[in-house]
Amino acid sequence: IAGITQAPTSQILAAGRRMTLRCTQDMRHNAMYWYRQDLGLGLRLIHYSNTAGTTGKGEVPDGYSVSRANTDDFPLTLASAVPSQTSVYFCASSREANQPQHFGDGTRLSIL
Amino acid sequence: GQSLEQPSEVTAVEGAIVQINCTYQTSGFYGLSWYQQHDGGAPTFLSYNGLDGLEETGRFSSFLSRSDSYGYLLLQELQMKDSASYFCAVRDLGGGKLIFGQGTELSVKP
Repeated sequence: IAGITQAPTSQILAAGRRMTLRCTQDMRHNAMYWYRQDLGLGLRLIHYSNTAGTTGKGEVPDGYSVSRANTDDFPLTLASAVPSQTSVYFCASSREANQPQHFGDGTRLSIL
Repeated sequence: GQSLEQPSEVTAVEGAIVQINCTYQTSGFYGLSWYQQHDGGAPTFLSYNGLDGLEETGRFSSFLSRSDSYGYLLLQELQMKDSASYFCAVRDLGGGKLIFGQGTELSVKP
């Protein structure tokens, strides 16, 4: 079934550890996005990529990095996790940058 | 910058009609979108308005007035399964990035 796969589905992590959240899509979408969702704050864009090989910063990029080596994969890395990064992380993709976005099921991350 | 306002909660009864409003402030405007999210799951795209007027998709309609920086999502013949959070979102100046509102939690009662 075509779509977006995120891994892991949930994770508990000690502060200071490095963590990579994985996102893979098989729809050949050019654009991909990472959001975090916190209670009362809706979805906030962390980083995005309009096409393979390019990335850009969203609203809340600090403490996060991304790469887009190919069309399908868009991993999000927390270099040194902090408790304020406890959140639900959603990956999304769209055929082009101005098209409707399709979301993965999310990764629930707790930093202790 | 961009900011959006929508009510935090709305309650309605099964079979009724409900309207969820969204006002926005943007330095550039490239369309208003609506997304639905059930129980913290994956948000799903509902509708997009790039021009003024009403867009209808089945029981759901979305309206936009660019002169008023205002839009709404209209849900008709409400069903229990419509209980969810609804987010409006505007496109950033760059055209691709979405800025989301904080979401409206809709509760449909029997």
